[in-house]
Amino acid sequence: DAGVIQSPRHEVTEMGQEVTLRCKPISGHDYLFWYRQTMMRGLELLIYFNNNVPIDDSGMPEDRFSAKMPNASFSTLKIQPSEPRDSAVYFCASSQLANEQFFGPGTRLTVL
Amino acid sequence: GQQVMQIPQYQHVQEGEDFTTYCNSSTTLSNIQWYKQRPGGHPVFLIQLVKSGEVKKQKRLTFQFGEAKKNSSLHITATQTTDVGTYFCAGRRTTDSWGKLQFGAGTQVVVTP
Repeated sequence: DAGVIQSPRHEVTEMGQEVTLRCKPISGHDYLFWYRQTMMRGLELLIYFNNNVPIDDSGMPEDRFSAKMPNASFSTLKIQPSEPRDSAVYFCASSQLANEQFFGPGTRLTVL
Repeated sequence: GQQVMQIPQYQHVQEGEDFTTYCNSSTTLSNIQWYKQRPGGHPVFLIQLVKSGEVKKQKRLTFQFGEAKKNSSLHITATQTTDVGTYFCAGRRTTDSWGKLQFGAGTQVVVTP
């Protein structure tokens, strides 16, 4: 298995632009998580899905952030409009039965 | 703020020495997981502890879960340069939804040869 796949690996955009991050979880995993990592706030859980259904989105910072999981093999995290304070590394992770989480390589987002 | 506190934040270790990082929660945890993140990398799962007082070993790493299931520790013996990275604990609080993990801020470990 290729592991969790994320794209793009790096994204540089200007303030106000829409950003879409993509994730392909490990096949057979029923949980998918989106995290954000910054020096100031550490690793924060934004939202997670179980069997494609959003279960807990309490970590989503504000309405500018949205996440979808249209099927078991794909999820997106969208930021619209983006702001400089959204600059961070965004990780997607998947797991089976909420056990050990397998993290993707992350997307490093820079908003200018 | 962090729901799961982790100390120390930084640890400089001479190669060959031992060190311990600690994780504390104000609320009871269903279980706790430990992850390691190398510089520029992503978190990688190390272990999960579930039972009160549980102790698990992985070669030079010893993990412990407290009796009250509110704290945990990771002890590394005879540190090697390959141990460099940030170690995170992640607890599942009994009051949270099942899939949710609270990550500590991590202990960044630097090893001096």
